[in-house]
Amino acid sequence: DTEVTQTPKHLVMGMTNKKSLKCEQHMGHRAMYWYKQKAKKPPELMFVYSYEKLSINESVPSRFSPECPNSSLLNLHLHALQPEDSALYLCASSQGRNYEQYFGPGTRLTVT
Amino acid sequence: AQSVTQPDIHITVSEGASLELRCNYSYGATPYLFWYVQSPGQGLQLLLKYFSGDTLVQGIKGFEAEFKRSQSSFNLRKPSVHWSDAAEYFCAVGAEDSNYQLIWGAGTKLIIKP
Repeated sequence: DTEVTQTPKHLVMGMTNKKSLKCEQHMGHRAMYWYKQKAKKPPELMFVYSYEKLSINESVPSRFSPECPNSSLLNLHLHALQPEDSALYLCASSQGRNYEQYFGPGTRLTVT
Repeated sequence: AQSVTQPDIHITVSEGASLELRCNYSYGATPYLFWYVQSPGQGLQLLLKYFSGDTLVQGIKGFEAEFKRSQSSFNLRKPSVHWSDAAEYFCAVGAEDSNYQLIWGAGTKLIIKP
């Protein structure tokens, strides 16, 4: 099973709202990722967790706050977003640093 | 600088015809190579990967790719496309020293003519 699940599928939020995106994998992978993808572009890496510790933060604004409660779960907390943050947010996981990444279906986020 | 080039922004192919999508990379270390496919509004699905060994790799959905070190290429092929293959295809490259990060190509949109 190579499934990564994400909820919600769609999210519309105002600029003053607080919301969270959730990601789950049960493949025993020890690395989990958040990506942002704009239309017709490749995904852009935002964060990487390795063994539940934040390993990479690609200079993402603090209005995005990741959390890894355990080895299977990854959250992305959103607060005071801007309209330009509207995008497809993808979660991925891998066995480790030099392994293929498996992606979830994404959350389509619209900031109004 | 490390880079991945997919020279074709979009390609149109007739259903049943063969397909080749190009990917060229510039990377100092020995690369790990991937092809992903993305249908509209969906996540990315791994089609195939190359780490080492046989340079012709087989993937899912009837796709294959060949790693040519001398040409720094990893082109994706399929002998006969189906309408359901219409999607965006991304080539990505990693390496032992890349620290989880993949370098992505810009993508190629595959359009299937009936």
